[in-house]
Amino acid sequence: DGGITQSPKYLFRKEGQNVTLSCEQNLNHDAMYWYRQDPGQGLRLIYYSQIVNDFQKGDIAEGYSVSREKKESFPLTVTSAQKNPTAFYLCASSSGQGLNTEAFFGQGTRLTVV
Amino acid sequence: QQPVQSPQAVILREGEDAVINCSSSKALYSVHWYRQKHGEAPVFLMILLKGGEQKGHEKISASFNEKKQQSSLYLTASQLSYSGTYFCGIEHSGTYKYIFGTGTRLKVLA
Repeated sequence: DGGITQSPKYLFRKEGQNVTLSCEQNLNHDAMYWYRQDPGQGLRLIYYSQIVNDFQKGDIAEGYSVSREKKESFPLTVTSAQKNPTAFYLCASSSGQGLNTEAFFGQGTRLTVV
Repeated sequence: QQPVQSPQAVILREGEDAVINCSSSKALYSVHWYRQKHGEAPVFLMILLKGGEQKGHEKISASFNEKKQQSSLYLTASQLSYSGTYFCGIEHSGTYKYIFGTGTRLKVLA
């Protein structure tokens, strides 16, 4: 079945440590996105990528980094520079045709800093 | 800037109607609507591309006023399954930057 897979579902991190969240899609989509969701809040864009080896900062990119070495994969690293990383992280993909098509979401990763 | 949705929250009885609004400060290319159940991924409802376009999905429909940079989602004869948080997703003209609104929490009571 085609879709987006995020792993792990739950992640605990100690303060000061970097952690990488995985996002893989087999939908052959060009565009991929990372969003952060805080309790009772909307989705805020962290980074997005329109094509392999290219990505742009979203509205809250500070303290995060990404790579897009393969079309299928768009991992997100939460660095120690991110002051408040505890949140629900969602990855999405789209065919990227000017976003005339829907975005498909993974099931999310809940990150908790302990 | 994140699109602003109103109201922030609404409680309905089964069978009642609701309207959720989404406003942007920038010119819009398209508007998507999604529903998210607690702890789950958002699920796509519909997309609107043209100014003044309206679409329907079961008893849920939407309009898109490109000139006013606004979209509205209409839920008629609400069902218990409509409960969740609704988000508008927008792409600003000429970009691939895709951002979501502030969200509207909707709860339908029996």
